[in-house]
Amino acid sequence: NAGVTQTPKFQVLKTGQSMTLQCAQDMNHEYMSWYRQDPGMGLRLIHYSVGAGITDQGEVPNGYNVSRSTTEDFPLRLLSAAPSQTSVYFCASSYTTGKRGYTFGSGTRLTVV
Amino acid sequence: DAKTTQPPSMDCAEGRAANLPCNHSTISGNEYVYWYRQIHSQGPQYIIHGLKNNETNEMASLIITEDRKSSTLILPHATLRDTAVYYCIVRASNAGGTSYGKLTFGQGTILTVHP
Repeated sequence: NAGVTQTPKFQVLKTGQSMTLQCAQDMNHEYMSWYRQDPGMGLRLIHYSVGAGITDQGEVPNGYNVSRSTTEDFPLRLLSAAPSQTSVYFCASSYTTGKRGYTFGSGTRLTVV
Repeated sequence: DAKTTQPPSMDCAEGRAANLPCNHSTISGNEYVYWYRQIHSQGPQYIIHGLKNNETNEMASLIITEDRKSSTLILPHATLRDTAVYYCIVRASNAGGTSYGKLTFGQGTILTVHP
């Protein structure tokens, strides 16, 4: 039982490049989400999914795409990286009943130059 | 979503109890109170949650007032490793709530445990 696995742990991109941040969980959680955390700030929700084939926008969705083709995976795509997307990205998952806590991954530290 | 208010920072001596307050005066009947903490730059860690009864687990205790407008997280014997940012969050418990599934993080409370 690995929990929530995020890859890569570190990434440097040039402005305009695209990439996909991977997130996988092996707990059969229905709910998955992506957050970003900028220095000295709390986490902000980017996108979330309540099950395979269902996604919705969070607080700061612009510049990011997601898809949920399986229960286990929830990749986050940066379409055209910008320096403003330099941040630490966290993926989280949970059951949908709301009666248990989220499990977070260890984060991906992204720098856009 | 119900908003929460927490003090920006608190100090605690090692070995003493740390009591972290949270106000959530607009909480709805189906919303749980969750506590998470984030140590340095790691991913947030779930601590405890509750609806209206007091809760205790191996990490902490959660005391919720009878009117549910505030709560206190208690770390009974704080250690240096408990130094972290602590977040109090409310979240709906079923699909009918507008905050269903979402965790909205505020600024949290920076707890510093000193020797």
